[in-house]
Amino acid sequence: DAGITQSPRHKVTETGTPVTLRCHQTENHRYMYWYRQDPGHGLRLIHYSYGVKDTDKGEVSDGYSVSRSKTEDFLLTLESATSSQTSVYFCAISESELGYNEQFFGPGTRLTVL
Amino acid sequence: GENVEQHPSTLSVQEGDSAVIKCTYSDSASNYFPWYKQELGKGPQLIIDIRSNVGEKKDQRIAVTLNKTAKHFSLHITETQPEDSAVYFCAARGGLWDTGRRALTFGSGTRLQVQP
Repeated sequence: DAGITQSPRHKVTETGTPVTLRCHQTENHRYMYWYRQDPGHGLRLIHYSYGVKDTDKGEVSDGYSVSRSKTEDFLLTLESATSSQTSVYFCAISESELGYNEQFFGPGTRLTVL
Repeated sequence: GENVEQHPSTLSVQEGDSAVIKCTYSDSASNYFPWYKQELGKGPQLIIDIRSNVGEKKDQRIAVTLNKTAKHFSLHITETQPEDSAVYFCAARGGLWDTGRRALTFGSGTRLQVQP
């Protein structure tokens, strides 16, 4: 398995609170991604990174921000969590060009916003 | 941006039968089509992929076909086994919404159950 860890694995929080999810990789891959998975929607791209301090928006970026200060870490922040952000969040990594080679996924973080 | 539709949403087969999952995509410039398998409580894992310059690819019991003209691609699993039970996702690498970059767009998933 690719060396990807996500923390926390489960979190319950209240509406309006800030939440930060962490993705850590040991593969030294350049590209990192955050997806959310919801029933009937598959996986939808939130943000991605193509290098340290280089990030861009995906399909469903509203309400989320990201940061990448080191190759191995990619943080996803919900500045003020809402119930619509209840979901399973997956981090993924890839070695080369955006989406054109295998993406390896982490184990996921289940977030519940009450 | 790219739009990927996947059918069926659930599929139940008897052990040893074949299973077929179909996807259509909208962006004619899409050039890479992976299939992922997700087991319960885990992240998706790539099982096979195909690029736009190839019409078919096989790997043991798994095959993928691509029809660029019709913009659809399919996953075929032969001689299904109980361990094939999982959720399967197709994806297409198409254009991103307003950045000009390309990224994977996923289908909504197919839950495959293989009955022993």
